[in-house]
Amino acid sequence: DAGVIQSPRHEVTEMGQEVTLRCKPISGHNSLFWYRQTMMRGLELLIYFNNNVPIDDSGMPEDRFSAKMPNASFSTLKIQPSEPRDSAVYFCASSPPVRDGPYQPQHFGDGTRLSIL
Amino acid sequence: GDSVTQMEGPVTLSEEAFLTINCTYTATGYPSLFWYVQYPGEGLQLLLKATKADDKGSNKGFEATYRKETTSFHLEKGSVQVSDSAVYFCALFIKAAGNKLTFGGGTRVLVKP
Repeated sequence: DAGVIQSPRHEVTEMGQEVTLRCKPISGHNSLFWYRQTMMRGLELLIYFNNNVPIDDSGMPEDRFSAKMPNASFSTLKIQPSEPRDSAVYFCASSPPVRDGPYQPQHFGDGTRLSIL
Repeated sequence: GDSVTQMEGPVTLSEEAFLTINCTYTATGYPSLFWYVQYPGEGLQLLLKATKADDKGSNKGFEATYRKETTSFHLEKGSVQVSDSAVYFCALFIKAAGNKLTFGGGTRVLVKP
């Protein structure tokens, strides 16, 4: 089975440019999560979606960040304009529906390493 | 709010040594507990889990027991290998809090041959 697919794997761009990160969740999963990982701040949840609807975006650092999920098989995280402090590894994760049974774990992609010069 | 605290790394040890990574939590409800592992250049992957008190999760030689009385979920392995070098994250889930995990800060483990 294909896992969570993120693209690009690496992105290097100059400050001020728009950056778009992409994620394809596992088929059948209805929750999608965007995380950011840095040495200084560790792993931070930015936003998560349930059934394509944003549920909690309290982790989005500022208005320069936006995320969309137009359908069940695709999500984007956009930074505009980008700044050097946005440099990090960005992970996307998805999980199956949480019904009355036990929790279903999140499956992570391999991440996008973003460098803003 | 809910939180997870784990020992800071890095933890450096020799092959075949015993590994313990401490994890404690605070939660407003009855959580499920997890350990995730992140190998270099990869995303996190689930290592083991426990959903109720006194449950023991185990996988790949790692074990952790859900201790409600001490609100802990310490990770142990009796004999580590170089391939166990990774970052380990303790996490909790409470269904009433929405479909998201609360992660600890991660502990980097380096196993030397």
